[in-house]
Amino acid sequence: EAGVAQSPRYKIIEKRQSVAFWCNPISGHATLYWYQQILGQGPKLLIQFQNNGVVDDSQLPKDRFSAERLKGVDSTLKIQPAKLEDSAVYLCASSLGLGGPHNEQFFGPGTRLTVL
Amino acid sequence: KQEVTQIPAALSVPEGENLVLNCSFTDSAIYNLQWFRQDPGKGLTSLLLIQSSQREQTSGRLNASLDKSSGRSTLYIAASQPGDSATYLCAAYSGSARQLTFGSGTQLTVLP
Repeated sequence: EAGVAQSPRYKIIEKRQSVAFWCNPISGHATLYWYQQILGQGPKLLIQFQNNGVVDDSQLPKDRFSAERLKGVDSTLKIQPAKLEDSAVYLCASSLGLGGPHNEQFFGPGTRLTVL
Repeated sequence: KQEVTQIPAALSVPEGENLVLNCSFTDSAIYNLQWFRQDPGKGLTSLLLIQSSQREQTSGRLNASLDKSSGRSTLYIAASQPGDSATYLCAAYSGSARQLTFGSGTQLTVLP
């Protein structure tokens, strides 16, 4: 079974530029998560989708971050414009069920973003 | 608000030692607690998941325990190997947060 795929794996941009990350979850997984992991910290949930609807985006900085999950499969996360403090690893995860504590999350390899 | 703390931030041990990693959480009303491993440049791999009704879980050389009343969990690694070198993260799923809340991790180095 293929795991969660993410691309690109690395991205370097200058501040005020825009960037987009792509995630392909495990086939059949209904729930998709985007996390931000700053160096030396644990992952922090940015947004959770259930199929193609948003369940929780309370920690997403909506003035510069946006995310979508068209057709309930792939998802993209965009930052526009980027700030220095956005430098982090962006992790995508998916779970089979409809979120919640009883559905194990499977993580992708992440995209490491460096903002100069 | 759930807060998860892991101490120490880094640990270095010689090969073959048994070791314990610590995790504490502030909100004891958790559904489960999970331990992950993160290798450089890679995502998170789930190691053990302990449900709130359980006291411990074991997988191979790994044993995780949970004490909800004291807000603590430990990950015990027996007979450590250089291949165990990685960052270990714990995460709690609580009703108050309704999401996984992660600690900052313990970076483990096992010296050959």
